[in-house]
Amino acid sequence: GAVVSQHPSRVICKSGTSVKIECRSLDFQATTMFWYRQFPKQSLMLMATSNEGSKATYEQGVEKDKFLINHASLTLSTLTVTSAHPEDSSFYICSAKLRGVDTEAFFGQGTRLTVV
Amino acid sequence: LAKTTQPISMDSYEGQEVNITCSHNNIATNDYITWYQQFPSQGPRFIIQGYKTKVTNEVASLFIPADRKSSTLSLPRVSLSDTAVYYCLVGDIRDYKLSFGAGTTVTVRA
Repeated sequence: GAVVSQHPSRVICKSGTSVKIECRSLDFQATTMFWYRQFPKQSLMLMATSNEGSKATYEQGVEKDKFLINHASLTLSTLTVTSAHPEDSSFYICSAKLRGVDTEAFFGQGTRLTVV
Repeated sequence: LAKTTQPISMDSYEGQEVNITCSHNNIATNDYITWYQQFPSQGPRFIIQGYKTKVTNEVASLFIPADRKSSTLSLPRVSLSDTAVYYCLVGDIRDYKLSFGAGTTVTVRA
């Protein structure tokens, strides 16, 4: 199946700093990528939908100025957590849809963010 | 998006068959039923997808009755490595705004 790769897999940062997470579709072009957040023992919560070449669509309650999403190419989307605080510590997961094909969504391995 | 209801947890033993039923009373005509598996600290992994009747692949079977208001994921002869959270999702495959419910935590014991 198609491969979605996230980097880094885990990151620790100081409170007030910004962290960038990359999501790459390795062997296919993804017109749409999705970013999720998952707190311990909870389900995945969709944060935003990222379309190549256009602005991301954020879910209600997600601060677009805090979670900056860029989808500059058909194989790369980035999520930047700006001015991170301990409550932003979570597991962030991206997924991607194959261009022009109606199949299942492919998920990255996730990024564990810890803000200290 | 159709709301789904599935058991919070299920326990099983190695070698047994595990059946997880998901209720989706408000499923729409264009909606497909998709199941994902998630291990701790990993992204979800696609298991199986179906629209009606029965679908089988190398890892699972999906049974969908004629009214499509529920579906059952069947995992044959589970092993310890099948311990995970299993999510039932219902939606139009053209819309990848997937909505994850609480999922079912399956624990397989030796």
